Amino acid sequence: QVHLVESGGGVVQPGGSLRLSCAASGFSFGSYGIHWVRQAPGKGLDWVSFIQYDGTNKYYADSVKGRFTISRDSSKNTLYLQMNSVRPEDTAVYYCAKDQNDILTGYNYMDVWGKGTTVTVSS
Amino acid sequence: DIQMTQSPSSLSASVGDRVTITCRASQSIRNYLNWYQQKPGKAPEALIYTASSLKSGVPSRFSGSGSGTDFTLTISSLQPEDFATYYCQQTYSTPITFGPGTKVDFK
Repeated sequence: QVHLVESGGGVVQPGGSLRLSCAASGFSFGSYGIHWVRQAPGKGLDWVSFIQYDGTNKYYADSVKGRFTISRDSSKNTLYLQMNSVRPEDTAVYYCAKDQNDILTGYNYMDVWGKGTTVTVSS
Repeated sequence: DIQMTQSPSSLSASVGDRVTITCRASQSIRNYLNWYQQKPGKAPEALIYTASSLKSGVPSRFSGSGSGTDFTLTISSLQPEDFATYYCQQTYSTPITFGPGTKVDFK
């Protein structure tokens, strides 16, 4: 059974930092790319970042570039999102989602999602 | 960035109805278009990938079509468990972008 479990969410002040984790199980973690996608309260889905299977290439939405860093640890089957200089507009449920591919080729889609972890940026 | 639009933004339908949702890209994305379903309080789930391929385990009443800039998701006979919000997504280029969603609720 393929599982993704996010953790690390919480309340953080504007300008603060938070690290999200996504623990993976049930598949060969080092063979697939993984995304972070967020959803602000009552809003639609917003792609945040992607890291390819070996961690070599990383991609970010403009809204988080320079503030967020995606990484992965294959020894722990875990994906991370380091969030720095957070803003109120970063308030959202953050999902990790496994891609069906190892790299971005266009033939990509998010075939397994975690349940999400909630980040609230507020003073 | 590639902008995705969906129509309608919401629709009301009855069990057994045929439902069609349209997604349009601001430029050609070939067939790099996926569809997701999201129920309240739950994570999204993939339905269709590369415009018309049905994800394993998804009921055959769901189908997708289109290429270039115009795409369609069709539910041939709406079931009670299909009342949800549907999103299209392009993976042709980064940033990956989603449509704003189409909410399907009870008539």
